[in-house]
Amino acid sequence: QVQLKESGPGLVQPSQTLSLTCTVSGFSLTSYDVHWVRQPPGKGLEWMGGIWGDGSTAYNSALKSRLSISRDTSKSQVFLKMNSLQTEDTAIYFCTRLRAAIWDYWGQGVMVTVSS
Amino acid sequence: DTVMTQSPASMSTSVGERVTVNCKASQSVGTVVAWFQQKPGQSPKRLIYLATNRHTGVPDRFTGSGFGRDFTLTISNVEAEDLAVYYCLQYDSIPWTFGGGTKLELK
Repeated sequence: QVQLKESGPGLVQPSQTLSLTCTVSGFSLTSYDVHWVRQPPGKGLEWMGGIWGDGSTAYNSALKSRLSISRDTSKSQVFLKMNSLQTEDTAIYFCTRLRAAIWDYWGQGVMVTVSS
Repeated sequence: DTVMTQSPASMSTSVGERVTVNCKASQSVGTVVAWFQQKPGQSPKRLIYLATNRHTGVPDRFTGSGFGRDFTLTISNVEAEDLAVYYCLQYDSIPWTFGGGTKLELK
């Protein structure tokens, strides 16, 4: 069945780089787009960026200078890297699937705290 | 960036009532809008895509409507399990943007 699962460090120090992995199963990354969405504690959702089935990427302009999304199709993994982390980057980070304008499955999310 | 202004921020309702959540885009997004439901401690759940299309398995009491700049999610005959936060999302122009959310509570 279709699954997406985020993984990564729960705690990152300010100014450091965040690295997250979204491991998917039940579908091919070349057929579906995968996007990252984050949610600060008690707040709303923010689209961060995504990688399309053809490998192209797009980013939220507010994060573009710090954010990189890539993938390894052989491992069914999508990667998020964001540098220069600040306390306001503390959030739950979700990966989610999209194809043909249809959003469907989401991962459970991973909580990332930026603190020294 | 396209701003999605969602209203109301919160609303109280009773089981069996009809509620409406609104999203207004700062520029036309056609019908490229989705609606999600999020319960505490859970990831968002898909409800509606392309403004009016209900996902498989979503109860037909959930209806999406709208085109251009104005979009609505209507929940008819609210059930207790519908108490959650609802978000709209425009995915017509990058950066894709969410509305601020509407918290549906029980009176």
